Amino acid sequence: QVQLQQSGAELAKPGSSVKISCKASGYTFTSYYISWIKQTTGQGLEYIGYINTGSGGTNYNEKFKGKATLTVDKSSSTAFMQLSSLTPDDSAVYYCASITTEGDYYVMDAWGQGASVTVSS
Amino acid sequence: EIVLTQSPTTMAASPGEKVTLNCLASSSVSYMNWYQQKSGASPKLWIYGTSNLASGVPNRFSGSGSGTSYSLTISSMEAEDVATYYCLQLSSYPPTFGSGTKLEIK
Repeated sequence: QVQLQQSGAELAKPGSSVKISCKASGYTFTSYYISWIKQTTGQGLEYIGYINTGSGGTNYNEKFKGKATLTVDKSSSTAFMQLSSLTPDDSAVYYCASITTEGDYYVMDAWGQGASVTVSS
Repeated sequence: EIVLTQSPTTMAASPGEKVTLNCLASSSVSYMNWYQQKSGASPKLWIYGTSNLASGVPNRFSGSGSGTSYSLTISSMEAEDVATYYCLQLSSYPPTFGSGTKLEIK
């Protein structure tokens, strides 16, 4: 079955960058796109964007352009998200999720366990 | 972007009680997906395509709706249903989530 294993918690200083990984297993990596989602207590769940795991093409939520950069390494079946110029507002749990279809419907059915990012000086 | 408004924000139900959670979209969407999230865990796909139960979801759950109004119903509340439920629309980019309904047991 599809499994997504994310990297561990990060503590970062304001102005720095972090790179979160999401390693896929149980399926052919390039079969499904990978989405990234931010969760905070205040803002709830926000969609960051997705990456085409075959071509590397990306589509970002306008809100996260310039903040998040999505990449993949097909050789290791891993997707990455880099967050740059960190501020305390970037403190959150970040999830990766695979995008598939069930009949006529898109679904994000498999999710990683989440990676906590804390931005503090 | 499409804004999803969930109601109520929080509710408590007794075992056996019927529960209805609502999700109102700011513009019409083709279908709605629902997620269940328990404390400390990742969201789980619960209902997709408005009314289809994801694998393993008990049949006391159902989903309905169209256009801008969608709902998730539990026919008979059980303790294991305690969680926060989120609606998600994928009809329009960017996908957007509702703010969630926290469901507790009395």
